[in-house]
Amino acid sequence: KQEVTQIPAALSVPEGENLVLNCSFTDSAIYNLQWFRQDPGKGLTSLLLIQSSQREQTSGRLNASLDKSSGRSTLYIAASQPGDSATYLCAVRSGGSYIPTFGRGTSLIVHP
Amino acid sequence: GAVVSQHPSRVICKSGTSVKIECRSLDFQATTMFWYRQFPKQSLMLMATSNEGSKATYEQGVEKDKFLINHASLTLSTLTVTSAHPEDSSFYICSALRQGGDGYTFGSGTRLTVV
Repeated sequence: KQEVTQIPAALSVPEGENLVLNCSFTDSAIYNLQWFRQDPGKGLTSLLLIQSSQREQTSGRLNASLDKSSGRSTLYIAASQPGDSATYLCAVRSGGSYIPTFGRGTSLIVHP
Repeated sequence: GAVVSQHPSRVICKSGTSVKIECRSLDFQATTMFWYRQFPKQSLMLMATSNEGSKATYEQGVEKDKFLINHASLTLSTLTVTSAHPEDSSFYICSALRQGGDGYTFGSGTRLTVV
């Protein structure tokens, strides 16, 4: 059974810092991995989707990497801003399944 | 991009009544839709998976007679909370998997309060 762990659980940083959020998974036979952000009381917004054959994806200040062999993905946020404050969730879709497994998320606060 | 519309965003109902929540994929066909429940400051809890034209698959511990799911078309799934009680108050979120595609698209969630 796939298990997904996100570290750290919470993070509070001053504006402008570069951040790394970690996601690890126990079964490397994945189909893809997706990063989301969730604002309080809202649904999930997709940030980046990495297929199992890819090593990284970039969108603006966000970069996500995938190392299947070690069961890890990192989300890199450059030059953080207060608007980046949210909970970031990692979801892994295992091969042969269409049900994603979510981590518990990293709660990020970027203060001015 | 893929968009999922979820309605209503907020609903308050009296104990004992039923509430229907709609999840609609606006610009794509969704073979599979998922319904989640989220408690404050906790992660998502998968309630059920629904496939168009077939019965939903419920997760262990979820009462299928209480949480009725219908996925009648490739663009619409509904969750009906029957005979709602205060303990059913929660945040419900749907998501959809695009037909032949990758990645999940989520609705904006429904805050249900049962009084």
